[in-house]
Amino acid sequence: AQSVAQPEDQVNVAEGNPLTVKCTYSVSGNPYLFWYVQYPNRGLQFLLKYITGDNLVKGSYGFEAEFNKSQTSFHLKKPSALVSDSALYFCAVRDIQNDMRFGAGTRLTVKP
Amino acid sequence: DVKVTQSSRYLVKRTGEKVFLECVQDMDHENMFWYRQDPGLGLRLIYFSYDVKMKEKGDIPEGYSVSREKKERFSLILESASTNQTSMYLCASSIQGALGNTIYFGEGSWLTVV
Repeated sequence: AQSVAQPEDQVNVAEGNPLTVKCTYSVSGNPYLFWYVQYPNRGLQFLLKYITGDNLVKGSYGFEAEFNKSQTSFHLKKPSALVSDSALYFCAVRDIQNDMRFGAGTRLTVKP
Repeated sequence: DVKVTQSSRYLVKRTGEKVFLECVQDMDHENMFWYRQDPGLGLRLIYFSYDVKMKEKGDIPEGYSVSREKKERFSLILESASTNQTSMYLCASSIQGALGNTIYFGEGSWLTVV
C-alpha cells in the first residue's frame, strides 16, 4: 500500500527567505503526487501535482515541487516566502488502487 | 471552478444522537469522498463512492455510514455519535478515470460531540 511521510511537523522561515517542506513517499508502480494547503478553519486547497514528465512542477501562489525518483521525494519549495504562506501543508500520493493517502501535515510559519 | 459545499460548518451534538453531514458538488464528478482530519494524523478516509448508490469502505469506517442517492450529493451519517468522533470532517470529489485527477475539497465541518 502507498504511504507518505512528512518528516517535519513544523517549519519556520523568515519572510523573503526560501522555504522547503519535505515529503517522501512509498508506492508500487508510478506515483501520482499532490500538494495541498490548508488555511485556518478551511478545507484543503490544491497547489500542484506530479503525474509524469518534467521533475520540477509549478503550481499556485508561486510554489513549485521537485520530484526525485531515486530519493522517493516530492519536496515543496518557494524561492521567497510570504507571511501569508503560513498554513498547514499536506503531501498526498495516489496509486493504481486509486486511494489517495495523505501525510500528517507540516505547519509552515513565516515570520516577518 | 469546482465547488464542494458542506452545508454545516460547525455542529455540536450530544452523545448517542444521530448526525447527518451533507455534501454537494456542482461539477458532475463521479467520485466523492469523506475524510476525517485529526491533529498529527493527517486525513483518513472514512468512505468513498464512485457512483450513485455505490460505496466503499475506507480506512476508518467503523461508526459511520454513507448515502449517495444522487450523483451530486454524498452524506455521512453517524448512527450514534460518540465523543471520539469529535473531529473535522472533509468532503471531496473528483472525476473518475485517470489517477492524476485532482481531488477537490469542501470547507470542512467541525463536529463536537459532548
